[in-house]
Amino acid sequence: DGGITQSPKYLFRKEGQNVTLSCEQNLNHDAMYWYRQDPGQGLRLIYYSQIVNDFQKGDIAEGYSVSREKKESFPLTVTSAQKNPTAFYLCASSIAEAARTGELFFGEGSRLTVL
Amino acid sequence: AQTVTQSQPEMSVQEAETVTLSCTYDTSESDYYLFWYKQPPSRQMILVIRQEAYKQQNATENRFSVNFQKAAKSFSLKISDSQLGDAAMYFCASMGPISSGSARQLTFGSGTQLTVLP
Repeated sequence: DGGITQSPKYLFRKEGQNVTLSCEQNLNHDAMYWYRQDPGQGLRLIYYSQIVNDFQKGDIAEGYSVSREKKESFPLTVTSAQKNPTAFYLCASSIAEAARTGELFFGEGSRLTVL
Repeated sequence: AQTVTQSQPEMSVQEAETVTLSCTYDTSESDYYLFWYKQPPSRQMILVIRQEAYKQQNATENRFSVNFQKAAKSFSLKISDSQLGDAAMYFCASMGPISSGSARQLTFGSGTQLTVLP
């Protein structure tokens, strides 16, 4: 089945450690996105990529990094510079045309907890 | 910049009844898009309905419809004949026009948790 796969679903990290969240899609979508979800705050955009080897910062990019070496993959690294990394992270994708209409396809998310 | 406000953190509705979720937004753009997304307990977000600002007719998708008041910058979601499967967090979202720097970036509200009572 086509879709977006995020892994791991749950991740625990010690302070000061970097961690990478995986996002893979087999929908042949050009655009991919990372959102952070905190209780009572909705979703906030971290990074997005419209094509391979290109990405732009979203509203809360500080402390995060991404890469887009392949069309189907858009991993997110949460670095030790991120002061409050405990959150639920959602990856999404869209075809170029769908980006005009806002229809994003989401993964099931990854919950990161910093101990 | 666009902002989206959902003033109802929680709502409940009796099964088979109708419920309306509120959303207001702020934008300086004349052309934009508005959406309602649903996040069930599985946490996977699903698009429920979309509205293009230049269209005066309110969008409908089966039991879901919107009341789009452009002058008031209001975009409410009405769910008719509520079903147990409608229980979820509902997010209102907006997107700027393609010509703007905010193109392809959705701005989300804080969400409304809907409970459906049997």
